[in-house]
Amino acid sequence: DAKTTQPPSMDCAEGRAANLPCNHSTISGNEYVYWYRQIHSQGPQYIIHGLKNNETNEMASLIITEDRKSSTLILPHATLRDTAVYYCIAAGNDNYGQNFVFGPGTRLSVLP
Amino acid sequence: DTEVTQTPKHLVMGMTNKKSLKCEQHMGHRAMYWYKQKAKKPPELMFVYSYEKLSINESVPSRFSPECPNSSLLNLHLHALQPEDSALYLCASSHPGTSTYEQFFGPGTRLTVL
Repeated sequence: DAKTTQPPSMDCAEGRAANLPCNHSTISGNEYVYWYRQIHSQGPQYIIHGLKNNETNEMASLIITEDRKSSTLILPHATLRDTAVYYCIAAGNDNYGQNFVFGPGTRLSVLP
Repeated sequence: DTEVTQTPKHLVMGMTNKKSLKCEQHMGHRAMYWYKQKAKKPPELMFVYSYEKLSINESVPSRFSPECPNSSLLNLHLHALQPEDSALYLCASSHPGTSTYEQFFGPGTRLTVL
């Protein structure tokens, strides 16, 4: 499964949009991009995933470049509760399951 | 029910003890996973079960022994652990064979080995 790289940390003002980038230049055609976040000592929480089209749900938007080598997670109106480590994962899913390889992630701090 | 439950929440054990971690889901998922997460590090995949068969073992030491007794349950048996095995152990589940669904994670078991 493809490796991903993310900035180690980012700050965002409360109420502003948080844009978290991810590079997955070795992603293969059948691999999706998944985003999770982890608040201190809790299990990772699913946010969103996509293949090649942009996706939006109640939590966030996912913008994937046309060449699929990078993506951006957008939290439209960040709140203090969005402070967490955000992980971007590129993985396929066959009958053996999903081989998620977590990178170090981006530590997002939302500031009042 | 979109929840993965893990018991116990916390576990303290000595190096000579035998203990087990338990994970349960009732979402009809046929793939279940164990991850290990050390402090300030990302989760690392340990084992994957797909259709109740072990499909991935990421070179985990034999003192960790997984078991999948049925499609809803996943156990991790622990024996002769070392202090460096202290970590958060996470369980997850998903539908195998389709990327249109995500993995659901449990809250984890915080293990301390003395």
